[in-house]
Amino acid sequence: DAMVIQNPRYQVTQFGKPVTLSCSQTLNHNVMYWYQQKSSQAPKLLFHYYDKDFNNEADTPDNFQSRRPNTSFCFLDIRSPGLGDAAMYLCATSNSGRTGYSNQPQHFGDGTRLSIL
Amino acid sequence: GQNIDQPTEMTATEGAIVQINCTYQTSGFNGLFWYQQHAGEAPTFLSYNVLDGLEEKGRFSSFLSRSKGYSYLLLKELQMKDSASYLCAVLDSNYQLIWGAGTKLIIKP
Repeated sequence: DAMVIQNPRYQVTQFGKPVTLSCSQTLNHNVMYWYQQKSSQAPKLLFHYYDKDFNNEADTPDNFQSRRPNTSFCFLDIRSPGLGDAAMYLCATSNSGRTGYSNQPQHFGDGTRLSIL
Repeated sequence: GQNIDQPTEMTATEGAIVQINCTYQTSGFNGLFWYQQHAGEAPTFLSYNVLDGLEEKGRFSSFLSRSKGYSYLLLKELQMKDSASYLCAVLDSNYQLIWGAGTKLIIKP
């Protein structure tokens, strides 16, 4: 089955220790998204890629970086995690036309729950 | 600013019908999505409305009124597995998805 896969499901890191979360997709979608979601809150968009074009949300902290080495993979790097970064991180994909605009539904991975010690 | 409002929590009985409302104020409109999210899991797509009216899909239906900035999700013949959060999200004029915080639906036997 075509899907969005996130690894790991649970990640524990120490305060200030860099961590990388990964996402892969077999849907062949050209747009990939990273969201942060805290308990009982709306998902908050951090970044999205239209193919290799990177789009950073204005309020995404500099502590968060992303890489998309190819169509199938996308990574979220947190350079110096703080206690406030403990959250569920969701990767999603969708298809869009050449403009990058899409009304297609987003397909989500199961998420990575990040805990900070 | 852009805003999506949904009730925080609702309770319903197994076998009954429940309506979850969503009102929105966004800069432009290119469609409205409903997603289901079980606790600790990722959101899954339920429905998409871009024109006014009711879209029915099995036990779930979604309604949209663009002039009122209003949508609802109707769940019939409720089952225990329908206990989840239901998120409303609107595509604005820039095709940016604006998310509501979700409505936690509790189903009681």
